[in-house]
Amino acid sequence: KQEVTQIPAALSVPEGENLVLNCSFTDSAIYNLQWFRQDPGKGLTSLLLIQSSQREQTSGRLNASLDKSSGRSTLYIAASQPGDSATYLCAVRIEGNTPLVFGKGTRLSVIA
Amino acid sequence: DAGVIQSPRHEVTEMGQEVTLRCKPISGHNSLFWYRQTMMRGLELLIYFNNNVPIDDSGMPEDRFSAKMPNASFSTLKIQPSEPRDSAVYFCASSLDHSFPLHFGNGTRLTVT
Repeated sequence: KQEVTQIPAALSVPEGENLVLNCSFTDSAIYNLQWFRQDPGKGLTSLLLIQSSQREQTSGRLNASLDKSSGRSTLYIAASQPGDSATYLCAVRIEGNTPLVFGKGTRLSVIA
Repeated sequence: DAGVIQSPRHEVTEMGQEVTLRCKPISGHNSLFWYRQTMMRGLELLIYFNNNVPIDDSGMPEDRFSAKMPNASFSTLKIQPSEPRDSAVYFCASSLDHSFPLHFGNGTRLTVT
């Protein structure tokens, strides 16, 4: 059974700092991996989707990497801002037509 | 596009009552998912549909829960009878197919007293 772990559960950084969020999964045979952001009281917003054949994806200040062999993905946030404060969730899809399996997220606070 | 639309946003009900949650997926998306989120357990998949057909309902907690998707633009999740332990945020999500991102609605916060 695929399990997704995100450590740390919470992280607090000063504004302007570059930071890395970690995601690990137990079964390296994944189809794709997706990073989400969740603001309090809101649904999840998709940030980046990495297919199994890809090593990374970039969107603005965000960069997500994927290392299937080690069962790891990272989300890099450059020049963090208070508006980046949210919970970030990682999710993996095992096969093409199966649902995402979610980690419990990392709650990020960026302090002005 | 309006995104995935869920209603109601909040539902407060008494134990034993029937609760119906509604979802309108993004037009053209052929996969629909119902998730439940709690602090203790995080996001749990309840059931998902492909082309309106239920594929896997193994996440549905028990027979009190049921879900339907009568057409491509509407789905319901029903709890009958509701219990306090059902209190959670219920999310609906849809995607074009498995190679595309999953899009979530804003959820329904259910409180059963």
